[in-house]
Amino acid sequence: DGGITQSPKYLFRKEGQNVTLSCEQNLNHDAMYWYRQDPGQGLRLIYYSQIVNDFQKGDIAEGYSVSREKKESFPLTVTSAQKNPTAFYLCASSITSDRMETQYFGPGTRLLVL
Amino acid sequence: AQSVAQPEDQVNVAEGNPLTVKCTYSVSGNPYLFWYVQYPNRGLQFLLKYITGDNLVKGSYGFEAEFNKSQTSFHLKKPSALVSDSALYFCAVRDRAGYSTLTFGKGTMLLVSP
Repeated sequence: DGGITQSPKYLFRKEGQNVTLSCEQNLNHDAMYWYRQDPGQGLRLIYYSQIVNDFQKGDIAEGYSVSREKKESFPLTVTSAQKNPTAFYLCASSITSDRMETQYFGPGTRLLVL
Repeated sequence: AQSVAQPEDQVNVAEGNPLTVKCTYSVSGNPYLFWYVQYPNRGLQFLLKYITGDNLVKGSYGFEAEFNKSQTSFHLKKPSALVSDSALYFCAVRDRAGYSTLTFGKGTMLLVSP
């Protein structure tokens, strides 16, 4: 079954804690993306990766970090520097980073602060 | 800079009636345009996209959208709405030239009543 998986579905963070969200794809896509969704604000780009071992900041990268050591995986770490982390986080991938390519989304992870 | 406007937070329509979800965009050059749908607590599903050619684009689940360059619009339409079409709809744009990531509108909630 091909697609994008995200885990966990729900994640709880304590104050001052770093947490990591998993994103895995078996679509053989080169490009991967992380978005944050807040109610009434649409989706905002956090980080993206066009190819393995390369990634760039998006519009709201502060307080987040990523790695891209494998083509299939693009984990996102929400650090303690992110003061308002409560949101729905969506991972996406596309065949390449070419502008016309469709981005396909995973099911999302909801992050809540205790 | 590029932007997307979805002027209606919510659209209400009766089952069997035609539906329209509005989207206007702003880019410096020519656009690639996308529509996605999101069901509660789920990721985004791709519906359709405009790349080039015919201004009327047909997509999944009976949806279609018309690209209008003079009005900078890309409205989503369906001839006969279903209750199961009730969901959150996002329009997105990407400029063909220059540095550009995918920019999303804030979303329009579609409610189809029986």
